[in-house]
Amino acid sequence: AQSVAQPEDQVNVAEGNPLTVKCTYSVSGNPYLFWYVQYPNRGLQFLLKYITGDNLVKGSYGFEAEFNKSQTSFHLKKPSALVSDSALYFCAVRPSFSGGYNKLIFGAGTRLAVHP
Amino acid sequence: ETGVTQSPTHLIKTRGQQVTLRCSSQSGHNTVSWYQQALGQGPQFIFQYYREEENGRGNFPPRFSGLQFPNYSSELNVNALELDDSALYLCASSSPGLAGGEQYFGPGTRLTVT
Repeated sequence: AQSVAQPEDQVNVAEGNPLTVKCTYSVSGNPYLFWYVQYPNRGLQFLLKYITGDNLVKGSYGFEAEFNKSQTSFHLKKPSALVSDSALYFCAVRPSFSGGYNKLIFGAGTRLAVHP
Repeated sequence: ETGVTQSPTHLIKTRGQQVTLRCSSQSGHNTVSWYQQALGQGPQFIFQYYREEENGRGNFPPRFSGLQFPNYSSELNVNALELDDSALYLCASSSPGLAGGEQYFGPGTRLTVT
């Protein structure tokens, strides 16, 4: 079965410190990978994506993510966390063999708490 | 903020009733997907519409149905509501022209079934 795992329910980090939010996936082929962020009572906002090429992709608000094919991981990173980064983060994959339609499979989400 | 809008924002229904949720896609996007996000979980794919036809469906029963209109807006209809249908319903738009096919989400409709 195709799935996305976010092993940490919550990540706590001090403001100014680097942060990492982990994601691993189990999908056949070469999927497209995404990170989204959700603020309270809001929809999901697109942060970044990996399709092919350089394993380190850069996105919005200073976030980046590192793709590792051998470990089937796509961890979200930021060199210096801000209090305003506190939110719920979702990793998602689009299987390469999705029957011709654009279905995203999401992880359960990781709550990021950045403390002053 | 994306250009995807959803209505209503909140809705309270009674078990057994029917509900219709609405979505307007971002300008230039001709594909609309619907997701159900239960409390504390990630969004689950319900179905997708492209050119007014359903072209993909997740593991949801037939009482979940939809429409897409010529202007690419969409409706999600749920019949015979159950308590477990209580969730945030998210609409997302995309375009086949977007490399990677990222989807842009609306703010969602919070449905409560009592």
